[in-house]
Amino acid sequence: KAGVTQTPRYLIKTRGQQVTLSCSPISGHRSVSWYQQTPGQGLQFLFEYFSETQRNKGNFPGRFSGRQFSNSRSEMNVSTLELGDSALYLCASSLDTPETQYFGPGTRLLVL
Amino acid sequence: AQSVSQHNHHVILSEAASLELGCNYSYGGTVNLFWYVQYPGQHLQLLLKYFSGDPLVKGIKGFEAEFIKSKFSFNLRKPSVQWSDTAEYFCAVNAGTGRRALTFGSGTRLQVQP
Repeated sequence: KAGVTQTPRYLIKTRGQQVTLSCSPISGHRSVSWYQQTPGQGLQFLFEYFSETQRNKGNFPGRFSGRQFSNSRSEMNVSTLELGDSALYLCASSLDTPETQYFGPGTRLLVL
Repeated sequence: AQSVSQHNHHVILSEAASLELGCNYSYGGTVNLFWYVQYPGQHLQLLLKYFSGDPLVKGIKGFEAEFIKSKFSFNLRKPSVQWSDTAEYFCAVNAGTGRRALTFGSGTRLQVQP
């Protein structure tokens, strides 16, 4: 079975721009979660989608949003980028919660 | 809100030494517990998990963890580490009933010296 894939792998943006990251879960997995990983804050939960509905949400500002499509693929969007948004963004998929989450390689975002 | 504490931020061991990494969580009800590992340049991957049953859980690569409910702990152990165990280790908790999100600890960086 193919693993979780994330595109793009690396991204450089400037402050004020917006960005869209994509995640393709393992086939058959309906839950997709997004995390932000930084050296200072560690792994922080952004949101979880299940069957196209946002089921859980972390403590991030409204600039961070996401969606899930009928094939379970998910996208997250960050608008009006700030320097502090530089991070590794991880996507994880699972059959459901609290089942084991399988992580993708991440998208490394650098905001200049 | 649930929280997870990993008190050891950076651990340095020699090969063949024993390992114990601490993990404590703050939630009094039902919990599902996980240890994930991130090897240099690789994805986060599951080492082991505890949902119910035997509190001593065995995982991949010789790792094990013990769930002690009274201490709110889920410490990771390995009797003899290898250089290839050099990685960052994350404890994670899914607390309560229902479809709750996973909360991660801050991670422990393990460096094994040959």
